Amino acid sequence: NAGVTQTPKFRILKIGQSMTLQCTQDMNHNYMYWYRQDPGMGLKLIYYSVGAGITDKGEVPNGYNVSRSTTEDFPLRLELAAPSQTSVYFCASSSPQGASEQFFGPGTRLTVL
Amino acid sequence: QQQVKQSPQSLIVQKGGISIINCAYENTAFDYFPWYQQFPGKGPALLIAIRPDVSEKKEGRFTISFNKSAKQFSLHIMDSQPGDSATYFCAASPAAGNKLTFGGGTRVLVKP
Repeated sequence: NAGVTQTPKFRILKIGQSMTLQCTQDMNHNYMYWYRQDPGMGLKLIYYSVGAGITDKGEVPNGYNVSRSTTEDFPLRLELAAPSQTSVYFCASSSPQGASEQFFGPGTRLTVL
Repeated sequence: QQQVKQSPQSLIVQKGGISIINCAYENTAFDYFPWYQQFPGKGPALLIAIRPDVSEKKEGRFTISFNKSAKQFSLHIMDSQPGDSATYFCAASPAAGNKLTFGGGTRVLVKP
């Protein structure tokens, strides 16, 4: 099993551009999450999904959109990129059995200039 | 609003020493308290977790101590090794659902 995979690994965007961060998991997990990690700030939840077709906002959703058309995929869309979105983005997944281990992908380092 | 406060931000310990990281939370609905370990360039990975019905949990050299009345929990790394050098995050979530709230992280450096 590959676990949680993310593409791309690195990306530089210009202000105002848009892009999609891809996330795929092969563990048949219902729950999926997107976090951003900024230095000294831990991980902040952007969006999460409890199953295909169901998404909800996390702590810092502004400037982002998500969709969940399949169990495996949970892409994160950035519209009109801003320097404040420079961060490392992590996708994670978990089983729906109450509070349980979240499995993280390797991350995407995004720079907006 | 930071619901999980973690300290210190960084610490340096000699090989064989004890690393101690502390976390405090505010939300009394939190019912699951995991610690994640992150190596540079990698995603976080679950290290150890505890629920409030026990005051301590030990796995190898890693121990979580939990104080429900004080709303605090801590990670102790015994006999610290250079391979333990990483960033450690405490987190918390309510019993229902699985939305984790993370602390700010502690960068641990173990000197040989």
